[in-house]
Amino acid sequence: KAGVTQTPRYLIKTRGQQVTLSCSPISGHRSVSWYQQTPGQGLQFLFEYFSETQRNKGNFPGRFSGRQFSNSRSEMNVSTLELGDSALYLCASSLGILDSNQPQHFGDGTRLSIL
Amino acid sequence: GESVGLHLPTLSVQEGDNSIINCAYSNSASDYFIWYKQESGKGPQFIIDIRSNMDKRQGQRVTVLLNKTVKHLSLQIAATQPGDSAVYFCAENTPAGNQFYFGTGTSLTVIP
Repeated sequence: KAGVTQTPRYLIKTRGQQVTLSCSPISGHRSVSWYQQTPGQGLQFLFEYFSETQRNKGNFPGRFSGRQFSNSRSEMNVSTLELGDSALYLCASSLGILDSNQPQHFGDGTRLSIL
Repeated sequence: GESVGLHLPTLSVQEGDNSIINCAYSNSASDYFIWYKQESGKGPQFIIDIRSNMDKRQGQRVTVLLNKTVKHLSLQIAATQPGDSAVYFCAENTPAGNQFYFGTGTSLTVIP
C-alpha cells in the first residue's frame, strides 16, 4: 500500500507570494492533518480535515488555510509568505479522526524556503 | 497548551547496546501515545503506539513503557543498530482529541 505522498518535495518562494502544497493520504484514510516543522518550534499542528471538513485548527494566522477533496486528497495554502514561514510542512493521514486513537502516518514533507 | 518534553536532547550508544529514550507528558488525561522515528530528509515514521489502559507494549526490537503515575513514557530499543540513528519523537493525544502534541525530539546516534 502506498504511503502518504506530498508534492512538491522542495519549493522556493519570495516574500509576499502564495503557495499551495498537496497531500495524497494512504488509500482508505479519511483524516488528513498538516504540521509545520521547524528546528526552533518542532512539530506544530496546523489543521485537520475529515470528510472535506476542517475539524480542528492550530494556532496559526489566517494566511494558512487548507481544504480536502472528496477523494480525501488535501491541499494547504499559505498566502502573503513571510520569511518565518520557511519550514518543512508535513502531512499525516489516519483512518479515523484524531480523537479515535489511531496512528497517524506521515509523508516526507515539502521543504518550503522563503527568500 | 500541552507540554510533551524529552529528558535528553541527544543520546549516543554503542552498536549492539540497548537504548532508552524518555518522554515526559503534562496532561494526565492523555490516553494515547505514539513514538515516531525521523531520519534526515524524511517524515516521521510510526514505530509503536500504546493506549493508557496498558503499561507496556512490545514490537520488533522496541518496547514502549507507560507510567501514568509520573506521566512518563519511554522507548527501549534492543540491540541498537546504525540504522536506528535518527530523531525520536513522542506524541500524545487526549480524549478531547483535537490534535496530537509532539515532544521536541531526541537525537539518537549509534556508534559502530
